[in-house]
Amino acid sequence: GNSVTQMEGPVTLSEEAFLTINCTYTATGYPSLFWYVQYPGEGLQLLLKATKADDKGSNKGFEATYRKETTSFHLEKGSVQVSDSAVYFCALLSKGGNAGKSTFGDGTTLTVKP
Amino acid sequence: DTEVTQTPKHLVMGMTNKKSLKCEQHMGHRAMYWYKQKAKKPPELMFVYSYEKLSINESVPSRFSPECPNSSLLNLHLHALQPEDSALYLCASSQDRSSGSSRAGDEQFFGPGTRLTVL
Repeated sequence: GNSVTQMEGPVTLSEEAFLTINCTYTATGYPSLFWYVQYPGEGLQLLLKATKADDKGSNKGFEATYRKETTSFHLEKGSVQVSDSAVYFCALLSKGGNAGKSTFGDGTTLTVKP
Repeated sequence: DTEVTQTPKHLVMGMTNKKSLKCEQHMGHRAMYWYKQKAKKPPELMFVYSYEKLSINESVPSRFSPECPNSSLLNLHLHALQPEDSALYLCASSQDRSSGSSRAGDEQFFGPGTRLTVL
């Protein structure tokens, strides 16, 4: 079956530091890959996505590249802010069928200190 | 309108109560989902509706009963819950992909959730 493995947290960084959160996946076929962010007390928000190999998703300074050869979708940001403190989930969605079932990683908690 | 709304935001109920959670979207999405999320864990899929028909039930206990009255609304009826059912309940929607599509599925849009406490 499908699975997503995320870098274990929590991750604590100082403001303006470089962020990497690793994500690798196992799936049959060619899934779409996503990063969601969850702020305290809120639901999940889509941060970025990539639907095929070598696609780069980007949003709000965050980037991730769909690497089929390494089955990875690592999240990066060049300079984090305190407001980026949240839980980040990597997820995949297989194609086909009437409504895909998402597979989520366990989540990585990021805390950014001023 | 690119929003999924959920009501109520918070709900406290006893084990003998009957209550309902509501979810609404006006994005024309034809797939809607219920997830359960415990603290510091990823969302766990409960139910999927596709074109207003239940397409996936992830072996959820019968004390949870989903309903999809129309393509914009999704309800979750609760009855005789247990304290361990306390969690954040998230609704999501997506454009449905019919069988045979050559593209990967679309992303899910999540609501803010209902924080449920069962006493």
